[in-house]
Amino acid sequence: DGGITQSPKYLFRKEGQNVTLSCEQNLNHDAMYWYRQDPGQGLRLIYYSQIVNDFQKGDIAEGYSVSREKKESFPLTVTSAQKNPTAFYLCASSTRLGWGPSSYNEQFFGPGTRLTVL
Amino acid sequence: EDQVTQSPEALRLQEGESSSLNCSYTVSGLRGLFWYRQDPGKGPEFLFTLYSAGEEKEKERLKATLTKKESFLHITAPKPEDSATYLCAVLRGSGGYQKVTFGIGTKLQVIP
Repeated sequence: DGGITQSPKYLFRKEGQNVTLSCEQNLNHDAMYWYRQDPGQGLRLIYYSQIVNDFQKGDIAEGYSVSREKKESFPLTVTSAQKNPTAFYLCASSTRLGWGPSSYNEQFFGPGTRLTVL
Repeated sequence: EDQVTQSPEALRLQEGESSSLNCSYTVSGLRGLFWYRQDPGKGPEFLFTLYSAGEEKEKERLKATLTKKESFLHITAPKPEDSATYLCAVLRGSGGYQKVTFGIGTKLQVIP
């Protein structure tokens, strides 16, 4: 079955540690995204990537880093510089970015990783 | 700045009691509007994409409509399994940059 997987489902981090969240997709999608979801707020974009070896900062990139070495994979590292990392992290992918009907295709989301800082 | 406002924040319906969720937006150059369903502790599940005012889409008990300022998600004769948070998101862009802005969502509870 095609889809997006995220691991782990739950992650606990001590202050000062870097942690990496995994995101893998087998949908053959070009674009991938990382969002953060907090109670009472809409999803906020952290980073996105349209093609392999290229990625762009989203609205709240500070304290995060990503890589896109393979089309299927888009891992997110939450660094110790992220001041409030406790949140629900969502990875998404879409076929491509473009304009008009059918050229911007909807984003499909993974199941999420809940990160808690101890 | 793009704004997406969903109302009500929470809605409680009896099974079979039809209603509508609202998504109003302020965005320059809307390119598309998306509806998602999200169950607790899970990722959002895609429902609909609407591209232009007047467009309507249906899926089972759900029907989404779009005007120039807002979108409605109509739920006809809901069942308990329709209980979830429904998210609205708008897409706008200029040049080669596209931005999606999400609303906070409407939490729907359908009581048997």
